[in-house]
Amino acid sequence: LAKTTQPISMDSYEGQEVNITCSHNNIATNDYITWYQQFPSQGPRFIIQGYKTKVTNEVASLFIPADRKSSTLSLPRVSLSDTAVYYCLVGGPTTGFQKLVFGTGTRLLVSP
Amino acid sequence: DTAVSQTPKYLVTQMGNDKSIKCEQNLGHDTMYWYKQDSKKFLKIMFSYNNKELIINETVPNRFSPKSPDKAHLNLHINSLELGDSAVYFCASSQDFPALAGGTDTQYFGPGTRLTVL
Repeated sequence: LAKTTQPISMDSYEGQEVNITCSHNNIATNDYITWYQQFPSQGPRFIIQGYKTKVTNEVASLFIPADRKSSTLSLPRVSLSDTAVYYCLVGGPTTGFQKLVFGTGTRLLVSP
Repeated sequence: DTAVSQTPKYLVTQMGNDKSIKCEQNLGHDTMYWYKQDSKKFLKIMFSYNNKELIINETVPNRFSPKSPDKAHLNLHINSLELGDSAVYFCASSQDFPALAGGTDTQYFGPGTRLTVL
């Protein structure tokens, strides 16, 4: 199983860059890395997905080193509205539904 | 327009009762899921349906029975409710079942149904 490990919580201030790292030492060759964001009283929302190197979209960047045993979600210039729980998921066609284990997530608190 | 909707949003009921939660998606997706998020905020998959067929059935008591009348709907019926069933239940959908699609397909989640069993 490609289990993931993330920090339980992180604190930041508005305007700062936040980097959340996820460890996935047992990632399989065909596994992708996906990050979701969950606000209180809402369902998780897809943020970004990648396989290797770097992926960037309008919301975040995802950095994946060559060994793919970890990944870092980077949120540029966070605002108060980025306060949420961030989940890292790993999985693909070989691991099947195991990817659907969300884990504990990282609770990000952004302060003024 | 709401992509994935669930009803009801809140459900308060007594132990031993039977209740249903409904889910509908208007995204044209082939796969739908039910998740349970407990008080510790762990989000665990319960069921997944692909084209109305059960694909995933995690270790869930058989008091929980999903029903998919068509691709756009996945309802969850719970018999003989217990205190431990209190949680938030999320429905989700994706275009293709991730294990079949060769990657991980983005899942779209509903707003959740907060079930409280007294």
